[in-house]
Amino acid sequence: EPEVTQTPSHQVTQMGQEVILRCVPISNHLYFYWYRQILGQKVEFLVSFYNNEISEKSEIFDDQFSVERPDGSNFTLKIRSTKLEDSAMYFCASSEEQYSNQPQHFGDGTRLSIL
Amino acid sequence: AQKITQTQPGMFVQEKEAVTLDCTYDTSDPSYGLFWYKQPSSGEMIFLIYQGSYDQQNATEGRYSLNFQKARKSANLVISASQLGDSAMYFCAMRVLNTGNQFYFGTGTSLTVIP
Repeated sequence: EPEVTQTPSHQVTQMGQEVILRCVPISNHLYFYWYRQILGQKVEFLVSFYNNEISEKSEIFDDQFSVERPDGSNFTLKIRSTKLEDSAMYFCASSEEQYSNQPQHFGDGTRLSIL
Repeated sequence: AQKITQTQPGMFVQEKEAVTLDCTYDTSDPSYGLFWYKQPSSGEMIFLIYQGSYDQQNATEGRYSLNFQKARKSANLVISASQLGDSAMYFCAMRVLNTGNQFYFGTGTSLTVIP
């Protein structure tokens, strides 16, 4: 069964450094998302992306964050200058359609640790 | 505002017994979908079951069923014949048609299946 893949599985970065989290969505999916989950807390929406542009973003997704689809398969989340509070599990998700009964398919996540 | 509430931080169930995980939601939009995801200790998010706001019947997927009570705004997950592999975090999520494609997640319920 096709799946969303995320790399790396664990990233350790010094505070203030830039980090790029990578995702390969399911190949026939058109809608892409990033979520984050701070340890012990609920999953929070960051951003959705369709047709090479951001379609929605949350208050968390400030100027430090950016997303990109650099080629036909990858979808990346960049954090420009990381802060301690950026430590979390970051999930990429994709879906074939929007506003439907289709679930968003999640990757296994990248655990980001900021030191 | 859209909100998902899961009031059971932790639940225990005997192997082979059934268990109900509670989820209540709040939205004023008549068009929405409710999803349940399982998150094992390894961290990935696994889609389990979906219920649409206009669905007349409760959703079922194998051992998973959804007890949808629209008037009470509840969408409880029922797991029948629990197995040891069901031990995980369970998240209820909602997507609301008129607020975009993002998922709103609850805080989750940790289920432990006892042999």
